[in-house]
Amino acid sequence: GNSVTQMEGPVTLSEEAFLTINCTYTATGYPSLFWYVQYPGEGLQLLLKATKADDKGSNKGFEATYRKETTSFHLEKGSVQVSDSAVYFCALSDPQGGSEKLVFGKGTKLTVNP
Amino acid sequence: EPEVTQTPSHQVTQMGQEVILRCVPISNHLYFYWYRQILGQKVEFLVSFYNNEISEKSEIFDDQFSVERPDGSNFTLKIRSTKLEDSAMYFCASSERLPGGYSPLHFGNGTRLTVT
Repeated sequence: GNSVTQMEGPVTLSEEAFLTINCTYTATGYPSLFWYVQYPGEGLQLLLKATKADDKGSNKGFEATYRKETTSFHLEKGSVQVSDSAVYFCALSDPQGGSEKLVFGKGTKLTVNP
Repeated sequence: EPEVTQTPSHQVTQMGQEVILRCVPISNHLYFYWYRQILGQKVEFLVSFYNNEISEKSEIFDDQFSVERPDGSNFTLKIRSTKLEDSAMYFCASSERLPGGYSPLHFGNGTRLTVT
């Protein structure tokens, strides 16, 4: 079945540090890939997405590239801010594989210190 | 920006009681979902709903669970007889179309259900 594995947290960084959160996936079809973010006390918000191989999703300084050869969708940001502190979820959707649901990773909690 | 709203934000109930979690999806959305997240674990799919019927459900969504769109705006999740292991954060979501890369899910802030 479809699954998502992302790096265990928590991750603690200083402001302006470089961020990478690794995500790899297993899917039967050609999934779309997503990163969702959950700020404290709030719901999940779509951060970025990519729908096919080599697509790069980007938003708010975050980027992730859909790598089919390594089945990965790592999240990166060049310079994090305190306001980026949140839990980040990698997810996939594989409707061509017969399911419309989102499959999530466990989430990675990021804390950015001033 | 329109948003998905969920009520209540926190519900405490005793084991064996029925609970109804309420959601108001974004008004022009057609697909509705419930997910849950047990503390410290993955966000898990429960059920999807389209055209007034369940379109997909997970193994978690057994006979104790039901969903309803009673009046064209609310979307509810009912747990008939709660168990301790039902304690979790329950998220409602909606989308304009199927999410497969074309239409993102919009999530509510969640209802934290505590079963004692």
